[in-house]
Amino acid sequence: GAVVSQHPSWVICKSGTSVKIECRSLDFQATTMFWYRQFPKQSLMLMATSNEGSKATYEQGVEKDKFLINHASLTLSTLTVTSAHPEDSSFYICSALQGFTNEKLFFGSGTQLSVL
Amino acid sequence: AQKITQTQPGMFVQEKEAVTLDCTYDTSDPSYGLFWYKQPSSGEMIFLIYQGSYDQQNATEGRYSLNFQKARKSANLVISASQLGDSAMYFCAMREGLGNQFYFGTGTSLTVIP
Repeated sequence: GAVVSQHPSWVICKSGTSVKIECRSLDFQATTMFWYRQFPKQSLMLMATSNEGSKATYEQGVEKDKFLINHASLTLSTLTVTSAHPEDSSFYICSALQGFTNEKLFFGSGTQLSVL
Repeated sequence: AQKITQTQPGMFVQEKEAVTLDCTYDTSDPSYGLFWYKQPSSGEMIFLIYQGSYDQQNATEGRYSLNFQKARKSANLVISASQLGDSAMYFCAMREGLGNQFYFGTGTSLTVIP
């Protein structure tokens, strides 16, 4: 299957700092990427849809000023958690659409964020 | 109504046996895609298998097969010859048409017993 690379795998930061997470499609171009958040033993919660060359579409209840998404190229989307707080601690995972008609969804390996 | 329903929070299977993980879906869109993902304790979401609504045959990928029953709106995952490494969370998902919304089930935790 297609490869989606996500870095870092885990990050620990102090409250008030910003953290950037990168999501790259390694062997295909992804016009659309998604960012999810997952709490322990729960399903994925869609945060936003990242579109190459345009603004991200955020789900209801997700603060766009807090979770900045940039999709500057067809292979890279970034999520920046600004002024992180302990309640932002979570597992964040990105995904990208791939296929002739973009029918398949492949995921990165996820980032575990811990805010102290 | 839930778009994707996984009714089995946890399942156990003996090593080398087959196991079926249930998934039912709800949509009125004639065009949709069904997915199964495996999430081991490391957290990554591993794509296992895909079934398009217009596919005539059930999808198969190695030891994984999807029992697609369109009239019943079910898309059960069958894992044959279970291995210890199959122990993980399994998520069923659906995409309607070519929209950007993917609906995920609540997952099934599979434990393979030696």
